[in-house]
Amino acid sequence: KAGVTQTPRYLIKTRGQQVTLSCSPISGHRSVSWYQQTPGQGLQFLFEYFSETQRNKGNFPGRFSGRQFSNSRSEMNVSTLELGDSALYLCASSWGTGGNEQYFGPGTRLTVT
Amino acid sequence: SQELEQSPQSLIVQEGKNLTINCTSSKTLYGLYWYKQKYGEGLIFLMMLQKGGEEKSHEKITAKLDEKKQQSSLHITASQPSHAGTYLCGAVGANNLFFGTGTRLTVIP
Repeated sequence: KAGVTQTPRYLIKTRGQQVTLSCSPISGHRSVSWYQQTPGQGLQFLFEYFSETQRNKGNFPGRFSGRQFSNSRSEMNVSTLELGDSALYLCASSWGTGGNEQYFGPGTRLTVT
Repeated sequence: SQELEQSPQSLIVQEGKNLTINCTSSKTLYGLYWYKQKYGEGLIFLMMLQKGGEEKSHEKITAKLDEKKQQSSLHITASQPSHAGTYLCGAVGANNLFFGTGTRLTVIP
């Protein structure tokens, strides 16, 4: 069974731009969660989608948004990029919601200059 | 809000040595996950503990959950270079999983 895939793996953007990251979950998994990982803050929860609906949201500004499609694939968008948005963005898929056993993708490394 | 504190923050051991990593919660643990992460990569699921006193093993890695102490420990027996990486504990909170700050393990051949 294929694992969680994320595209692109690396991205360099300029302050003020916007970016869209993509995540394809494991086949059959209906929940996708997004996390931001930085050296200073560690791994922090962004939001979770289940059946195309946002179920949970972490403490991030509205510049961070996401969506999920009917095939469970998910995208997250960050608008008006700031230098502090440079991070490894990880998505994880699971069968159910609320912290169910999650399987992580390799991540997208975003650098904002 | 609940927090997870891991200790030690980093660990350097000689190959073949045993080691223990601890994860302590500020509140009652209702479930705890252990993950391993190679630098700059995704998290690899190791094991999940759900009941107090539960102990699970995978190859040379054993994890235990002490519900009363609100703590979990991860023990590696006869460490190998392949065990190197950052170990993260995660717990189920109000909004999905939240994680400890990680323990970086270096194994010297």
